[in-house]
Amino acid sequence: EAGVVQSPRYKIIEKKQPVAFWCNPISGHNTLYWYLQNLGQGPELLIRYENEEAVDDSQLPKDRFSAERLKGVDSTLKIQPAELGDSAVYLCASSLNRGTYEQYFGPGTRLTVT
Amino acid sequence: AQSVTQLGSHVSVSEGALVLLRCNYSSSVPPYLFWYVQYPNQGLQLLLKYTSAATLVKGINGFEAEFKKSETSFHLTKPSAHMSDAAEYFCAVSVESNDMRFGAGTRLTVKP
Repeated sequence: EAGVVQSPRYKIIEKKQPVAFWCNPISGHNTLYWYLQNLGQGPELLIRYENEEAVDDSQLPKDRFSAERLKGVDSTLKIQPAELGDSAVYLCASSLNRGTYEQYFGPGTRLTVT
Repeated sequence: AQSVTQLGSHVSVSEGALVLLRCNYSSSVPPYLFWYVQYPNQGLQLLLKYTSAATLVKGINGFEAEFKKSETSFHLTKPSAHMSDAAEYFCAVSVESNDMRFGAGTRLTVKP
């Protein structure tokens, strides 16, 4: 069974440029999470989807960040415009449903903003 | 709100020695607790989880953790460290199907 797939794995952009990250969860997993992981810290939740509905986006900086999960499968996280402080690893995770607790993580996208 | 504190951002042990990574949690209701491992440039992999069954939980790669309610702790142990155990370890807590809160992580170094 394929795991959570993320692309790209690495991205370097200049500040003020847009960037997008893509995530394909494990087949059949209804819940999808985007996390931000700063260097030397644990992941912090940005947004959680139950199928195609964003049910917890309280930590998503909505002035520059946006996300979507079309048809309740793949998801895209976008930053526009990027700032230097956005340099971090963006992790995607999925779980069968919210009650199963066990989350499966993708390898992450390491973003560097110069 | 629930939270976890990992004591020690860096732990160094010799190969074959006991591994002990400390995690204390804060929660007003019974928690679910997890340990994840992260190797360089990879995502997080679940080592083990406590979901209110047995207090001693066995995980993958020879790791285990014991839930101690009186001490609000969920420390991770392994009797004998291997070079391949060198990684970043994260403790996490979840309450009543709420989302996970992760600790800051502990970097484990294994010396030959």
